[in-house]
Amino acid sequence: QQQVKQSPQSLIVQKGGISIINCAYENTAFDYFPWYQQFPGKGPALLIAIRPDVSEKKEGRFTISFNKSAKQFSLHIMDSQPGDSATYFCAAKVEGGYQKVTFGTGTKLQVIP
Amino acid sequence: DAGVIQSPRHEVTEMGQEVTLRCKPISGHNSLFWYRQTMMRGLELLIYFNNNVPIDDSGMPEDRFSAKMPNASFSTLKIQPSEPRDSAVYFCASNKIDRNTGELFFGEGSRLTVL
Repeated sequence: QQQVKQSPQSLIVQKGGISIINCAYENTAFDYFPWYQQFPGKGPALLIAIRPDVSEKKEGRFTISFNKSAKQFSLHIMDSQPGDSATYFCAAKVEGGYQKVTFGTGTKLQVIP
Repeated sequence: DAGVIQSPRHEVTEMGQEVTLRCKPISGHNSLFWYRQTMMRGLELLIYFNNNVPIDDSGMPEDRFSAKMPNASFSTLKIQPSEPRDSAVYFCASNKIDRNTGELFFGEGSRLTVL
């Protein structure tokens, strides 16, 4: 049973536009929500993460919005650039010690000039 | 700092052959993970080691898969015999379990093609 649902599967955005990727989770025990970015031929790398005690976290052009009551969170990429073209994975885990990281299925983003 | 190092980067083999994938985690990291990535199933956790001891192997698909971590700086994932459905990119990742964020540091992956 997939515990983190991610959409869309693919996304094409014009340069300068806003890219939005959505995720929903089921396990209310999750308390740490990272996003990973993966370029072709590379492994995923941590991009930004949020804990549920805040509703938004911003790092540069990347913003996570978090809605605890709806069990949803999203990644917004402002002023999208061709260099942002990559696959993005949302994830969730219970923080502390060993807890399995559950990944979404990924969104392939293409930013066109 | 050197990241997670995986080898080989690409492997093409025939059905029935043994495949061994190798991983060197980041020095000082005490947890190691093997993931498999496919278009259909995304990133799947196969097995997790903590301090060289396998803790969770519930994701290992079947007995054809085995993993070892003989020391803190080396791990292998073996598939014997390999089948075409094993074709995927296999990632190794490491982290320090005492860091609560649990950020995973991934290698560049080993792309396996079984003909």
